[in-house]
Amino acid sequence: EAGVTQFPSHSVIEKGQTVTLRCDPISGHDNLYWYRRVMGKEIKFLLHFVKESKQDESGMPNNRFLAERTGGTYSTLKVQPAELEDSGVYFCASSQDRTGANTGELFFGEGSRLTVL
Amino acid sequence: GNSVTQMEGPVTLSEEAFLTINCTYTATGYPSLFWYVQYPGEGLQLLLKATKADDKGSNKGFEATYRKETTSFHLEKGSVQVSDSAVYFCALKKGGSEKLVFGKGTKLTVNP
Repeated sequence: EAGVTQFPSHSVIEKGQTVTLRCDPISGHDNLYWYRRVMGKEIKFLLHFVKESKQDESGMPNNRFLAERTGGTYSTLKVQPAELEDSGVYFCASSQDRTGANTGELFFGEGSRLTVL
Repeated sequence: GNSVTQMEGPVTLSEEAFLTINCTYTATGYPSLFWYVQYPGEGLQLLLKATKADDKGSNKGFEATYRKETTSFHLEKGSVQVSDSAVYFCALKKGGSEKLVFGKGTKLTVNP
């Protein structure tokens, strides 16, 4: 069974440009989460989808960030325009059950490293 | 607010040494506590968890006990191996919330 896959693994862009990160969750997982780790800081929650619906986007930093999950399968996270402070590693995770139930286990991808110059 | 504090790394040990990575938390109520591990080139994966006070989570020789009185969830292993080299993240989750709150991570390197 394929795990959570993220693309690209590393992106280097100029300030003001646009970047789109993609996440393919484990097949059949309704719950999809985005997290971000800025260098030297904690991994922080960005948002949570259940199928195609945004359940919680309270962690999104500002309106330069747009997440979508059309059809309830893969998800994209677009940053437009990118700023220097957006640099970090963006993790996607998925689970069949909500983290409030059963194991609370999330399955994470390797992350997409974003560098804004 | 809720937060997790882990010991600063990096930690470097020799094979078969004893490992402790300290983790303390701040949260109201009774959160669930987790240790996640990220091996090189892989995503984070759940290592162990505990959902209530005095619970002990264990997996792959690692253990952590949920201590309500000291708000701690320290990770221990009696004899580390080179294959344990990874970044370890302590995390909590409040009941009714979908969010995991992570610590900063501790990088462990085990030398042969």
